[in-house]
Amino acid sequence: EIVMTQSPATLSVSAGERATLSCRASHRVSSNVAWYQQKPGQAPRLLIYGAYTRATGIPARFSGSGSGTEFNLTISSLQSEDFAVYYCQQYNNWPPLTFGGGTKVEIK
Amino acid sequence: EVQLVESGGGLVQPGRSLRLSCAASGFTFDDYAMSWVRQAPGKGLEWVSGITWNSGRIGYADSVKGRFTISRDNAKNSLYLQMNSLRDEDTALYYCAKDICSSILCYGDFWGQGTLVTVSS
Repeated sequence: EIVMTQSPATLSVSAGERATLSCRASHRVSSNVAWYQQKPGQAPRLLIYGAYTRATGIPARFSGSGSGTEFNLTISSLQSEDFAVYYCQQYNNWPPLTFGGGTKVEIK
Repeated sequence: EVQLVESGGGLVQPGRSLRLSCAASGFTFDDYAMSWVRQAPGKGLEWVSGITWNSGRIGYADSVKGRFTISRDNAKNSLYLQMNSLRDEDTALYYCAKDICSSILCYGDFWGQGTLVTVSS
């Protein structure tokens, strides 16, 4: 099973600042990583797939990068609606698909 | 508009069974793979099971293998999860997800709102 490790667990950022979230895979997963955003009481929403392709309707301030074992999600200028928990997921090896433990982005 | 509506959750005793359903609409159901993902209270996401469009390929997390069975009825636009021998640690919100696949590589692009399963005596 591929283990996905996200860091940091919590990121305190001010609105308007840049946030960079990291995700590391225990084995190479090519570019087969997705990122999801989850707000309290809501289902997860797909942000990024293929490591760097934004899903339909996702603002350009969200960008993904990386391949192999190291991946990042960057939010260029945090808006109030971006404070949430973010999960990475690898889909290179199935089953199982595996998620990281999540990074909570909170208001500083 | 894509909609996924889960149902069938509830309070169940350890060792008993429960069957979850997911009703899909707003897309051509039999064109897509589907998955179940769960989230224990206050915890992260855990992929549970996935099934291809024609049920030709099915996978399970080790934590549920041999106890849970995923299935689908394309004529009814529905996905199911039969859960047997339930344990306390199966307590979670269970989400149904529509998958996008490139060859055999699939990820969820839309999720329902979930149905809560509580396993407790």
